Amino acid sequence: GAGVSQSPRYKVTKRGQDVALRCDPISGHVSLYWYRQALGQGPEFLTYFNYEAQQDKSGLPNDRFSAERPEGSISTLTIQRTEQRDSAMYRCASSSTGYEQYFGPGTRLTVT
Amino acid sequence: ILNVEQSPQSLHVQEGDSTNFTCSFPSSNFYALHWYRWETAKSPEALFVMTLNGDEKKKGRISATLNTKEGYSYLYIKGSQPEDSATYLCAFIGTNAGKSTFGDGTTLTVKP
Repeated sequence: GAGVSQSPRYKVTKRGQDVALRCDPISGHVSLYWYRQALGQGPEFLTYFNYEAQQDKSGLPNDRFSAERPEGSISTLTIQRTEQRDSAMYRCASSSTGYEQYFGPGTRLTVT
Repeated sequence: ILNVEQSPQSLHVQEGDSTNFTCSFPSSNFYALHWYRWETAKSPEALFVMTLNGDEKKKGRISATLNTKEGYSYLYIKGSQPEDSATYLCAFIGTNAGKSTFGDGTTLTVKP
């Protein structure tokens, strides 16, 4: 595709439900990153992959958050038993070099 | 915890003014610094990737310098235009060459 895509763009869920956020990176990009962004702040690192291997998950807030990229392309960020504090914009980015990142449009998650 | 600080937080200038802002980052374990331009309701877009101490990059009216020894980078905009209004984010990449730590950005508003 022409750019990084994310789905859904908006997600409203009730507290306690599980959600899965999808990221489709630019074709051929080796690296894929997940960020969370609060209003008025820069992206906060969650985790990243090279190919299918999760290289660093130090930014995942707790064990309710997990991510996978089983075939080295599409990635899913899963949040289990959502809480209101999980409400944020979740952004995905991909990179061919590991440096310059191309960002997707984000998924706005609202937990009610 | 890595600290990447950007200042000022916001800036209002008149059309035609030149302006600059700062990104401060750890001076050790440096690998690269990225600058991104982020317009509201859009995704961050890469401006510059800087890797060497003393680097100076330029794209049109926007330029950036890098000092890795003292841990800062400046972004300059010459002759600001209303279309330059955006949030400018910097991201530090350490020697693990993967995880990016973003600052919270400088929001520039250029008044016609």
